[in-house]
Amino acid sequence: KAGVTQTPRYLIKTRGQQVTLSCSPISGHRSVSWYQQTPGQGLQFLFEYFSETQRNKGNFPGRFSGRQFSNSRSEMNVSTLELGDSALYLCASSTGPQDLSYEQYFGPGTRLTVT
Amino acid sequence: DQQVKQNSPSLSVQEGRISILNCDYTNSMFDYFLWYKKYPAEGPTFLISISSIKDKNEDGRFTVFLNKSAKHLSLHIVPSQPGDSAVYFCAASDTGANNLFFGTGTRLTVIP
Repeated sequence: KAGVTQTPRYLIKTRGQQVTLSCSPISGHRSVSWYQQTPGQGLQFLFEYFSETQRNKGNFPGRFSGRQFSNSRSEMNVSTLELGDSALYLCASSTGPQDLSYEQYFGPGTRLTVT
Repeated sequence: DQQVKQNSPSLSVQEGRISILNCDYTNSMFDYFLWYKKYPAEGPTFLISISSIKDKNEDGRFTVFLNKSAKHLSLHIVPSQPGDSAVYFCAASDTGANNLFFGTGTRLTVIP
């Protein structure tokens, strides 16, 4: 079974621009969560989507948004990029909230650099 | 405010000895705890988990211990192998939520 895939793997953007990152979950998984990893803050939860609906949202500004499609693929968007948005963005998939094991499977991440 | 804390940023252990990684949490609503292992340029890989109704879970060389009264969990790796060298994150979740709260990670180096 193929793992979680994320595209692109690396991205360089300029302050003020916007960016869209993509995530394809493991086949059969319907829940997708996004995390931001920075050296100072570690891994921080951005949001979770299940059945095309946002179920949970972390403590990030409204510049960070996401969506999920009917095939469970998900995108996240960051508008008006700031230097502090430079990070590794990780996507994780799981079967969904009915699975109380909470085990999530991570993709390799997208490394975003904002200059 | 960091709800899950790993106070040791790094740990070095001799091959064959025990590695003990520690994690503390503050939210008493957390009911499920997980350990992830991360290599550079890869996403975290699930290692082992424990429910709050248990105090120990074992999987091969890996054992996780949970002390709910102290809000503390630990991961024991016995015997440690050089391939275990990676960054280890502990994570926690509360009932009904599918978002994980992660610690800041501990870099384990196993010396051959």
